Amino acid sequence: QQPVQSPQAVILREGEDAVINCSSSKALYSVHWYRQKHGEAPIFLMILLKGGEQKGHDKISASFNEKKQQSSLYLTASQLSYSGTYFCGTQGNTPLVFGKGTRLSVIA
Amino acid sequence: EAGVAQSPRYKIIEKRQSVAFWCNPISGHATLYWYQQILGQGPKLLIQFQNNGVVDDSQLPKDRFSAERLKGVDSTLKIQPAKLEDSAVYLCASSLGQGSSYEQYFGPGTRLTVT
Repeated sequence: QQPVQSPQAVILREGEDAVINCSSSKALYSVHWYRQKHGEAPIFLMILLKGGEQKGHDKISASFNEKKQQSSLYLTASQLSYSGTYFCGTQGNTPLVFGKGTRLSVIA
Repeated sequence: EAGVAQSPRYKIIEKRQSVAFWCNPISGHATLYWYQQILGQGPKLLIQFQNNGVVDDSQLPKDRFSAERLKGVDSTLKIQPAKLEDSAVYLCASSLGQGSSYEQYFGPGTRLTVT
């Protein structure tokens, strides 16, 4: 079942912070986060695993609440390069299922 | 390290025609995925291979779509016959393994337009 992302879109000025949320109705083993710029391939950002292990970018942080099946991606001190569409992918006992994405625009 | 290669990058065909896409994963990656991404949506898994075996093809429209990974390396995805609703970007991705802790690396995709 497809995870639900919020917000659908957000506009930030450089230096501002943002939080993107991802919620699933099913029990999860992991949450994956990817960023996709227009016309390009999705790029891996982070994996959060059941049990607390994480791996990914140093400059991006995220949380995973296993009991609530929710994850949040924290973008701090945003830069113009952060613009793009952010997708969460959730994995339970089925292959990864991606949400519809959150479009982030960072303006100068 | 070379990334995931896909070809062609763009394809325009008429409905009822056939089309094939090719993918070469990152060297050493045992798991290969084909995704369909419709404009404004997240990638949707069509089929997942582990080496040359199919792990999941539950969302592959098998009446018109087929995929193979004969030698456990590169892969082809075919649509025959194409419908208008098949217009999308077809992304290939690969990972070292198939567990939940493995990140996926995506290719640039093939943008298919069916007219």
